[in-house]
Amino acid sequence: NAGVTQTPKFQVLKTGQSMTLQCAQDMNHNSMYWYRQDPGMGLRLIYYSASEGTTDKGEVPNGYNVSRLNKREFSLRLESAAPSQTSVYFCASSEGGAGNTIYFGEGSWLTVV
Amino acid sequence: DAKTTQPPSMDCAEGRAANLPCNHSTISGNEYVYWYRQIHSQGPQYIIHGLKNNETNEMASLIITEDRKSSTLILPHATLRDTAVYYCIVSPSEDYKLSFGAGTTVTVRA
Repeated sequence: NAGVTQTPKFQVLKTGQSMTLQCAQDMNHNSMYWYRQDPGMGLRLIYYSASEGTTDKGEVPNGYNVSRLNKREFSLRLESAAPSQTSVYFCASSEGGAGNTIYFGEGSWLTVV
Repeated sequence: DAKTTQPPSMDCAEGRAANLPCNHSTISGNEYVYWYRQIHSQGPQYIIHGLKNNETNEMASLIITEDRKSSTLILPHATLRDTAVYYCIVSPSEDYKLSFGAGTTVTVRA
């Protein structure tokens, strides 16, 4: 029962470096999401993909890009990392539609120095 | 604009029922009430959701008032493993995304 799998789990970047967080789900879900969580805060939506081939901005999209590679995979890219992007990143997926339940991955801890 | 209001923290005794309140006075007719929880450093976990009627599953019960302006999540027999941040979320059925607030930090004490 893999569910939602994120890689890497931990990463340290220097300011200005780029990196991509990978996410895959094996539940045949239509919708996928990227959230970030800063210390002591709730989750904030970065981007989401309601279905394969579509992506939309969430609450805090600046500094990020996403790619819905196929139905299973949804990646998050930081083109030029900044210390303000130090956070825990959660990928999630859901079937979509009425009363949909969102399933989360275990998180990726990113530190930008 | 926060759609829900939850107490920042609460304690409960192990083995007793934990009743977590949530106010959502501006809820619309097509909006669901969801509850998730987040155990330290883990991804959030779905607990339960409902629209109008009370709901029960193997984890918890959800009681929604008749006017739908508030709800209560009940953990029937709290254990130490239920210590977590609990999020009450209101979202339309057609909305694919959920907005998480600060939640309630629940500490279960032996």
